[in-house]
Amino acid sequence: EAGVTQFPSHSVIEKGQTVTLRCDPISGHDNLYWYRRVMGKEIKFLLHFVKESKQDESGMPNNRFLAERTGGTYSTLKVQPAELEDSGVYFCASSHMRGLAGETQYFGPGTRLLVL
Amino acid sequence: QKEVEQNSGPLSVPEGAIASLNCTYSDRVSQSFFWYRQYSGKSPELIMSIYSNGDKEDGRFTAQLNKASQYVSLLIRDSQPSDSATYLCAFGYSSASKIIFGSGTRLSIRP
Repeated sequence: EAGVTQFPSHSVIEKGQTVTLRCDPISGHDNLYWYRRVMGKEIKFLLHFVKESKQDESGMPNNRFLAERTGGTYSTLKVQPAELEDSGVYFCASSHMRGLAGETQYFGPGTRLLVL
Repeated sequence: QKEVEQNSGPLSVPEGAIASLNCTYSDRVSQSFFWYRQYSGKSPELIMSIYSNGDKEDGRFTAQLNKASQYVSLLIRDSQPSDSATYLCAFGYSSASKIIFGSGTRLSIRP
């Protein structure tokens, strides 16, 4: 069974540009999460989808970030316009159960974003 | 105060010895506790989860949870060089599914 995949693996953009990150969860996983780790900090939660619905978006830093999961399969996270402080590693994770605490979240390899 | 506190390390342990990693958390509502292992440049990988007070063993790994003290630890017996990685302590809530991570402890197993 394929794991969580993310694309691209790396992205280097200039401040003010737009970047779209993609996550394909494990097949059959209804729950999809976005996290990010900025330099020197801990991994922080961004948002959680259950199928195509946003269950919790309390971690989204501001309205420059837009996440979608049309059809309840893959998800995209768009940053527009990108700022320097958006640089970091963006992880996607998915899980099988209904979003109950304690279920295993499987992480993708991450997208390393550098904003210059 | 950070929600999850870990010593950043590096923690250096000789091969074959026991590595002991510690973590405290601030939110008493926390219900689920996790240890993730992350190799440099790779994604976090769940190695242990624990929900009840006491010990939970899985192979060379033992997680210990003390909710009264808001403390969780991970013991790695017979440490191997392949155990060298960053270990992330994390917790989850019963009413939500996001995971709160600590900043991680770097573990180095020296031959």
